[in-house]
Amino acid sequence: SQQGEEDPQALSIQEGENATMNCSYKTSINNLQWYRQNSGRGLVHLILIRSNEREKHSGRLRVTLDTSKKSSSLLITASRAADTASYFCATGMMDSSYKLIFGSGTRLLVRP
Amino acid sequence: ETGVTQTPRHLVMGMTNKKSLKCEQHLGHNAMYWYKQSAKKPLELMFVYSLEERVENNSVPSRFSPECPNSSHLFLHLHTLQPEDSALYLCASSQDTSRETQYFGPGTRLLVL
Repeated sequence: SQQGEEDPQALSIQEGENATMNCSYKTSINNLQWYRQNSGRGLVHLILIRSNEREKHSGRLRVTLDTSKKSSSLLITASRAADTASYFCATGMMDSSYKLIFGSGTRLLVRP
Repeated sequence: ETGVTQTPRHLVMGMTNKKSLKCEQHLGHNAMYWYKQSAKKPLELMFVYSLEERVENNSVPSRFSPECPNSSHLFLHLHTLQPEDSALYLCASSQDTSRETQYFGPGTRLLVL
């Protein structure tokens, strides 16, 4: 089974609400990253959190990492219609110098 | 714009055709990657190049043949593909292969008939 799994698979919220997406993984990691993908386009890096960090902020984004539970969450506050996209977590493995393992993603729909 | 460009953006080919996908990065990075993204499947790493040397061939069929002539350019040569190879092919680059941020191109949407 895959390393990273996002939850939920799909999320629909009203503009202005907060959106929370979760990611679980199985093996030890060096870092965990979140990426965003608009439909049929490339991925855009949002934020990286290292294994010795617990929380990180970037604008309206807040990421937490719990290595004991092997999980991370991405919170988008005050969502906008333009936040509609798929969001992926990717884990940088401890046993590899280059592999990022991506999850299946959460499809977020922000209704105007 | 992420500094990574891919051409063509869309490609339709028959199973007997030969085509190539091109990726170029303008970021001065030393590592480049090919990924395959199929519907309802996680992103699959295909190939990794570091300083123009292939460091990963992730059990990819030989009908996919990568080429990295220099650190700014990456090609994926395609021949005798199957319909199940239809997918979005994404190129990415990073400063080096130390698990840090990857910068993705917009992808090539490939349809194999």
